Amino acid sequence: QSVLTQPPSASGTPGQGVIISCSGSSLNIGSHSVNWYQHLPGTAPKVLMYSDNQRPSGVPDRFSGSKSGTSASLAISGLQSEDEADYYCAAWDDIMNGPVFGGGTKLTVL
Amino acid sequence: QVQLQESGPGLVKPSETLSLTCSVSGGSISNYYWSWIRQSAGKGLEWIGRIYATGITNYNPSLKSRVTMSVDTSKNQFSLKVNSVTAADTAIYYCARDHYRPGSHWFDPWGQGTLVTVSS
Repeated sequence: QSVLTQPPSASGTPGQGVIISCSGSSLNIGSHSVNWYQHLPGTAPKVLMYSDNQRPSGVPDRFSGSKSGTSASLAISGLQSEDEADYYCAAWDDIMNGPVFGGGTKLTVL
Repeated sequence: QVQLQESGPGLVKPSETLSLTCSVSGGSISNYYWSWIRQSAGKGLEWIGRIYATGITNYNPSLKSRVTMSVDTSKNQFSLKVNSVTAADTAIYYCARDHYRPGSHWFDPWGQGTLVTVSS
C-alpha cells in the first residue's frame, strides 16, 4: 500500500465543496511540503498545488491546499463536472530519499 | 512550454529488460532533475528514480538493484532500464521534470505515459 493515506473516493454535486485528506508521518508530510496532482486517466498528470498551498498559474482559485502536522488537505469549492478526476497527494520522504504518493482519491461529481 | 514524451516497447517478456526513453521538447534538459514514475493497474503512483543532466542518479531503494537511468543531453533525452522484469512491473510509465526548493519538491510537467506489459 501507499506511504501516504488518502480516502479512495469522494463525491459532491455541482457547486458544492469537497475536501480530500492526505495523512503521512514525521518522515514525509511532517518535514516536507505537500503537493497535489490531478489525473484524468489517459492524460498526463497535472500539478494542482505545490509547497502545501501554492497554485501554479492556470489553476483556478477554487482549489486550495493546507497542511497541519502530518496531514494535508485539498479543498475544492464550487465543484464542476470537469473536476471529476483522480487526485494524488505527494511529499518527499526521508527514508525513501525521494517522493512518496498517496493511493489516490477518485472524485465523482454527481 | 516544456513537453515530455515517453517511447519504447509496449510488451516485454518476463526476465528481460524494459527500456524506455523520454524526449524533452520546448526546453533544455540541462539544470534539472528528471524522474520516472509508474502506476500499476488499480494501484497508486510509485517513484522509480531520477537523473540530473550531469548523470547523477537517485533510485527508489525497492527498485535500485534492477534500475539504471541515463541521459543524453545532445538529444535532450533521458532513459530508463529495468532488468529482470516480472508481471509486477506491468504499469503505465511516466517521465516528469523535478522541481526542488529546500523543503519542497514537485513534478511538472509530466509525459502522457506509456503502458508496458510484461508477458510471454
